[in-house]
Amino acid sequence: DAGVTQSPTHLIKTRGQQVTLRCSPKSGHDTVSWYQQALGQGPQFIFQYYEEEERQRGNFPDRFSGHQFPNYSSELNVNALLLGDSALYLCASSARGLSVLDTQYFGPGTRLTVL
Amino acid sequence: DQQVKQNSPSLSVQEGRISILNCDYTNSMFDYFLWYKKYPAEGPTFLISISSIKDKNEDGRFTVFLNKSAKHLSLHIVPSQPGDSAVYFCAASRSGNTPLVFGKGTRLSVIA
Repeated sequence: DAGVTQSPTHLIKTRGQQVTLRCSPKSGHDTVSWYQQALGQGPQFIFQYYEEEERQRGNFPDRFSGHQFPNYSSELNVNALLLGDSALYLCASSARGLSVLDTQYFGPGTRLTVL
Repeated sequence: DQQVKQNSPSLSVQEGRISILNCDYTNSMFDYFLWYKKYPAEGPTFLISISSIKDKNEDGRFTVFLNKSAKHLSLHIVPSQPGDSAVYFCAASRSGNTPLVFGKGTRLSVIA
């Protein structure tokens, strides 16, 4: 049983560019959450998708957007990249919807470097 | 304003001894707490959780203690093993349906 997978593993972009990160949830999971982990920090919640809709959002600007597909996979898009967007982006999936009581399983992350 | 604080960036413990990782929180509305473990090049892995209606939860070598009045929780690992060497994150949530708020993590090194 495959766990949460993310692609690409690493990515280098320049300021002002746009980036799309991808996530496939663990089999049987229908909810996907995205987190940003800056160097030396804990993961910070970006947003959560369930039933192809954004259900909750953290304190991130509109440059950060996402999408969930009918097969529950998800994309994170970041426009107009800033140097401060350099971070590890983690995707987590869970079953049954939106409760934090449902264990979140994390992928290995995508390391984004903005030059 | 950091709502979940792990004030010790690192901890070194000898194999077989107890590891105690600490976490403080400021938001009194938090009622569900979790610990995650993260190895390099892997995503965080859920370890153990505790609801605010309890003050202790045990799972094998791992025990989490919650002191609500002090807004403090701790993770005890007994006995510590070299494979426990990882970064440990404390996380908190409100009412089971709000996003997890993570601390900055504590790097545990278990020395053989």
